[in-house]
Amino acid sequence: AQKITQTQPGMFVQEKEAVTLDCTYDTSDQSYGLFWYKQPSSGEMIFLIYQGSYDEQNATEGRYSLNFQKARKSANLVISASQLGDSAMYFCAMREDAGNNRKLIWGLGTSLAVNP
Amino acid sequence: DGGITQSPKYLFRKEGQNVTLSCEQNLNHDAMYWYRQDPGQGLRLIYYSQIVNDFQKGDIAEGYSVSREKKESFPLTVTSAQKNPTAFYLCASSILRNTEAFFGQGTRLTVV
Repeated sequence: AQKITQTQPGMFVQEKEAVTLDCTYDTSDQSYGLFWYKQPSSGEMIFLIYQGSYDEQNATEGRYSLNFQKARKSANLVISASQLGDSAMYFCAMREDAGNNRKLIWGLGTSLAVNP
Repeated sequence: DGGITQSPKYLFRKEGQNVTLSCEQNLNHDAMYWYRQDPGQGLRLIYYSQIVNDFQKGDIAEGYSVSREKKESFPLTVTSAQKNPTAFYLCASSILRNTEAFFGQGTRLTVV
C-alpha cells in the first residue's frame, strides 16, 4: 500500500496566485517527519519545508507553508504568490522514526506549471 | 561552498559493463543515500549508509553495489547484473537523526 499519496499528477496556476499541492500519508508511528522537495527540470532535488509530527504549529518557509492536519494524515504544501520559477515537480516524503532505519518514503510527485 | 557533488552528469554504458557513479559531500554528514528515479515515478532507495564502513540495502539494491570507506564519499557501482540500468541517479546526505536531506545534481545513466 502507498504510504505517501499525491493525488494530483499535474496542476496549473496563474502567476501571483496561491496553489495547494496535496499529500496524504499512512503511518502507525507516533513520531515521524514530513518533507516537501522541489525538482526543477535540471534534476536536482531542492528541500523546501519540513514538519515534525509533534510540531504544533504549521511549518512556514517564505512563500511555502505546510498545512498539517494530523488527524486526517495530510500535509499539503501551499505556495503563495506563485512565480514562473515555481514550475517544477514537487515531491512529498515521509520519514518514519521507529527503529534505526531512518529512510524517506516518497510520493510520485505533482507537476506544477505556472502560467504567466 | 558546502554541498554534494555527483559526477559525471551524463554517463553512457555498453550492455554488460560495470560503471561507477561518484558522490562526494563536504557537509560533514554522517548519512548518505543513493536513489534511482524513473520517469513518472518517485524516488526509490538503492542503498544507504549511516556511518563509515557500514551500509544497508534499500528497496531496489539488486544489481548495485556501494562502498563507504570515507565519510565524504559514497560511490555507487551499477553492475552488469542490473537488467534495466537506464535511469536518473540521485545521491543525498543528511546529518544523522536530523531533518532534511541534501541532494546532488544527479547522474543520468544511459545504456547503449
